[in-house]
Amino acid sequence: KAGVTQTPRYLIKTRGQQVTLSCSPISGHRSVSWYQQTPGQGLQFLFEYFSETQRNKGNFPGRFSGRQFSNSRSEMNVSTLELGDSALYLCASRIGRSGSEKLFFGSGTQLSVL
Amino acid sequence: QQQVKQSPQSLIVQKGGISIINCAYENTAFDYFPWYQQFPGKGPALLIAIRPDVSEKKEGRFTISFNKSAKQFSLHIMDSQPGDSATYFCAASKDGANNLFFGTGTRLTVIP
Repeated sequence: KAGVTQTPRYLIKTRGQQVTLSCSPISGHRSVSWYQQTPGQGLQFLFEYFSETQRNKGNFPGRFSGRQFSNSRSEMNVSTLELGDSALYLCASRIGRSGSEKLFFGSGTQLSVL
Repeated sequence: QQQVKQSPQSLIVQKGGISIINCAYENTAFDYFPWYQQFPGKGPALLIAIRPDVSEKKEGRFTISFNKSAKQFSLHIMDSQPGDSATYFCAASKDGANNLFFGTGTRLTVIP
């Protein structure tokens, strides 16, 4: 069974641009979550989607948004990029919505904002 | 505000030794406490997890100790191996709200 797939693996953008990251969850997994990982702040929850609906959102500005498609694939968008948005963006999937279900992470998209 | 505090930031252990990483939390609503292992260039992978109704859980060389009254939990890696060299994160979540709050990570180096 293929794991969580994130594309692209690396991305370089300039301030003010926007970016879209893609995530394909494990087959059969309906919940997709996104996390931002930085050396200073560690891993921080961005949002979670289940059945194409955003179910939970972390403490990030509205420039960060996402969506989920009917096949459970998810995209995350960041508009008006800032230098501080440089981070590893991790997508994770699980079968359902229970907090104690095993969460599977992808290898992430490394975003650099210049 | 960091909801889960983790220490130490880095740890160096001799092969065969015991690695101990500690975490503390404030929110008594947390009821699920997983530990994740992350290698460079990879996403975190679940290592072991515990619920607050038990004080200890062991899986192979990995043991979680949980102290509900002190709001602390720790990861013990017995017989540490060079292949265990990675960054370890503790985390916590509340049932019904499935976002994880992560500690800041511990970089473990096991020297041969």
